[in-house]
Order: sequence, then structure tokens, then C-alpha cells
Amino acid sequence: DAKTTQPNSMESNEEEPVHLPCNHSTISGTDYIHWYRQLPSQGPEYVIHGLTSNVNNRMASLAIAEDRKSSTLILHRATLRDAAVYYCILRDAGAQKLVFGQGTRLTINP
Amino acid sequence: GAVVSQHPSRVICKSGTSVKIECRSLDFQATTMFWYRQFPKKSLMLMATSNEGSKATYEQGVEKDKFLINHASLTLSTLTVTSAHPEDSSFYICSAMREVYNEQFFGPGTRLTVL
Repeated sequence: DAKTTQPNSMESNEEEPVHLPCNHSTISGTDYIHWYRQLPSQGPEYVIHGLTSNVNNRMASLAIAEDRKSSTLILHRATLRDAAVYYCILRDAGAQKLVFGQGTRLTINP
Repeated sequence: GAVVSQHPSRVICKSGTSVKIECRSLDFQATTMFWYRQFPKKSLMLMATSNEGSKATYEQGVEKDKFLINHASLTLSTLTVTSAHPEDSSFYICSAMREVYNEQFFGPGTRLTVL
């Protein structure tokens, strides 16, 4: 599985946008970029995924670099409930397994 | 939609006993489910892939005789930790694959404490 690199932790303020980076320089052409988040003492929750084009949904936006070697998860207006560990995961189009890295622990200040 | 439940949410048992954890997909069928383990402050570690009607596929280093997986129906997979020891204490999380979307949906996790 291609590897992703994320900062260990990030901090932001409530009601401000948050940009969570992910580097994946060894991504293959058939790897999708998935983002999950895990709130304390809960199972992970799907956030968003994409292949080449930027994606938007009700939770977040995913900006994918043109060379696909990096991506950024954007929370447009953070709330305290967005405090979680965010995982960026690559998964081949034909695969089912998700291999979790260390993720980014996001802290939101009131 | 796409709700996955786990039971129990929390269990405490004595060393040497066996513990069964259930994972259910409530509103969709899942031929494939996954079991993960997570130690405090660590990431999720995939233990095994559970396939309905066939044997589970275990990740390297996971003892199949220690962690028994049964996926007898399209909505239920069970993980049995046999002869549990304190080092098996962990947060066990399952997920179910919804094939139409090729996406995994996770359960809320089961916290196992072995005394």
C-alpha cells in the first residue's frame, strides 16, 4: 500500500477554516484518496474521498494536487465537534482493505 | 443509512476466559467485514478480513486460533477472543463493506478489559 504522511497534530480556532495536509508521493494511478476521522472513543467516520478532481460534500472539501502527490482536507468552518484524529488513506480502486496511518490529531480552540 | 453496530460496547473479563464481540450491519448486507484493534493513542491495526460463508483472512502476526472470526450471515460477524489475557485489552472496531459504494462503515467499537 502506498504510504501517506500527515502532521502529527494541528490546532485551529472555532469557526475558522482548517486545512489538513497529506503527502502521498508514491500514489499510483488507481489509488483513491480517502479521508476518515475518529472522534474520541468512537469508530472512524467517513469524511470524503476522491481520485483526481476536487470534491465537496456537506462535511468537507478535498483538494487534490495536479500531480496527485498531495491533498488537503478542508473544513470550512470548524466547530468543537470537529476535534478528532483525521486519517488520510490511499486505497486502490480494486481493493477493499483500508490501512490506517498515524493520522493528524486536530484540536479546536473555543 | 449504512449503520454498523457492535455489542457489547464495553466488556470486562477475567484472564483465561473467552469473549465474543458481535458486529452487525443494520440496514445493508455485507459480504465483507473487517476487524481492527486499537491501543491507546495508537492508530487502528487491521486484524482480519471476514468473508460471509468462508474463512477469514488474517493479517500477518495475528493468531487465527486466538481471534476466532465467524461471518455466518450477510449482516453479522463475530470476533471471539479466546483465553483472553491482559495484553488483549484493547479497543476492537469492526467495519462492514457496502459493496455498491465500495465503502467501509465502522462500528462504534468495543472496549475490552482483561483483568
